[in-house]
Amino acid sequence: ILNVEQSPQSLHVQEGDSTNFTCSFPSSNFYALHWYRWETAKSPEALFVMTLNGDEKKKGRISATLNTKEGYSYLYIKGSQPEDSATYLCAFADNAGNNRKLIWGLGTSLAVNP
Amino acid sequence: DTGVSQDPRHKITKRGQNVTFRCDPISEHNRLYWYRQTLGQGPEFLTYFQNEAQLEKSRLLSDRFSAERPKGSFSTLEIQRTEQGDSAMYLCASSQGGQPQHFGDGTRLSIL
Repeated sequence: ILNVEQSPQSLHVQEGDSTNFTCSFPSSNFYALHWYRWETAKSPEALFVMTLNGDEKKKGRISATLNTKEGYSYLYIKGSQPEDSATYLCAFADNAGNNRKLIWGLGTSLAVNP
Repeated sequence: DTGVSQDPRHKITKRGQNVTFRCDPISEHNRLYWYRQTLGQGPEFLTYFQNEAQLEKSRLLSDRFSAERPKGSFSTLEIQRTEQGDSAMYLCASSQGGQPQHFGDGTRLSIL
C-alpha cells in the first residue's frame, strides 16, 4: 500500500517567521512529487512538480527540495505572511503501470498570525 | 479557457435520492480526475479518465458511484441511493498527461 505522510499536521507561526514542513513518500518506483496549496473555500492550486533527485524549486518566498532516494520532500516558506495561511498538500506519483495517479497526503495546515 | 468548472456548486438532497455532478475540464487536457474531500482530510482519489477511458476506480468507491466521460471532454459523476456518509466536497481536476492538476471549485453535497 502506497502511503504519503505529511508533518506536522498543523502549524501556527507569527508573521515574519520562516517555516518548513515535510512530505514522506515511498522511495521505490518514483515518478513525481507534487506540492499544492489549498486555501479555505478555494480549490487546490499547484505549486511545484518535482521529478529529479536533488531538485530544488522556488516560487517567490516558497521553495521545495526533493530527495527521492530517502523518500522525502521539504517545503519552506521564508518570512511567512498571513496570506500564506492554507493547507499545503503533497502528492506522489509512481511509475508502476501507466496510470501515474496521485497519492495524496493529508496536508499540513498553516496558520500565520499577524 | 476559464479553467475547470463544476456544476452545481452545492447540492442538498434527501437520503436515498440519486445525484449527478458535472465537470468541464480545461479543453486541451486529456486526463480528468474525481476526488472526494471530507472535513479535515486531503483529497481522496475516486476515479480517473484518460480521454474517454476510465483507467482506474478506487476500491473505496461503491457500486452506487459511477462516472462517465463519453466524448473525452466533460465528465459526470453519479451517486445512486445517496447515504449520509456521501456528504462531502466532490472535486474534479484535469491535467495534460502527468502535468500539475488544475482543480475546479468543487460540488458540496449535503445529504439530509
